[in-house]
Amino acid sequence: GDSVTQMEGPVTLSEEAFLTINCTYTATGYPSLFWYVQYPGEGLQLLLKATKADDKGSNKGFEATYRKETTSFHLEKGSVQVSDSAVYFCALISQAGTALIFGKGTTLSVSS
Amino acid sequence: DAMVIQNPRYQVTQFGKPVTLSCSQTLNHNVMYWYQQKSSQAPKLLFHYYDKDFNNEADTPDNFQSRRPNTSFCFLDIRSPGLGDAAMYLCATSRDAPDSSETQYFGPGTRLLVL
Repeated sequence: GDSVTQMEGPVTLSEEAFLTINCTYTATGYPSLFWYVQYPGEGLQLLLKATKADDKGSNKGFEATYRKETTSFHLEKGSVQVSDSAVYFCALISQAGTALIFGKGTTLSVSS
Repeated sequence: DAMVIQNPRYQVTQFGKPVTLSCSQTLNHNVMYWYQQKSSQAPKLLFHYYDKDFNNEADTPDNFQSRRPNTSFCFLDIRSPGLGDAAMYLCATSRDAPDSSETQYFGPGTRLLVL
């Protein structure tokens, strides 16, 4: 079945460091890919998405590119802030699907 | 602001005592979803409503049921909560027919504790 694998955390960075969180997926056809962020005690917020190969999603300085050839959707940010500390979930919806299939989440902790 | 609202944010119930969680939305979206997120795990879809049509995931326990009396509201009923049902329950909506291109918008969640 469809699945998402993302790097284990926690990821600990200093402010202004470069961030990469790896995400790879397994799915038939052409799924849509998402990154959601969950701040402590809150629900999930959509960070960015891409619906077809080579699309780049971007928001709040975060970027991810849909790579069909490597089945990847890695999240990057050039300079993280303390306020970026949260849990980041990579997710997909398959072409024929309904449910968001999530990875296990990666906890990011940014210190000043 | 248009949003997805969940009440209460925290719910404590006793083992075996029925409990209802509520979700409302001002987005006027056709689809509403319920996800279960256990501690340190990924959210998992329980079921969804597309308008009035109920769609249950194959592995959702019978203990979990849902009602959608109108477009704005959706309820999650747990008939006999067990200790293993303690989790964060997330409500989400999407504008139209659930397919791969539709974005799902989440509420803040209700954290359920079973004593």
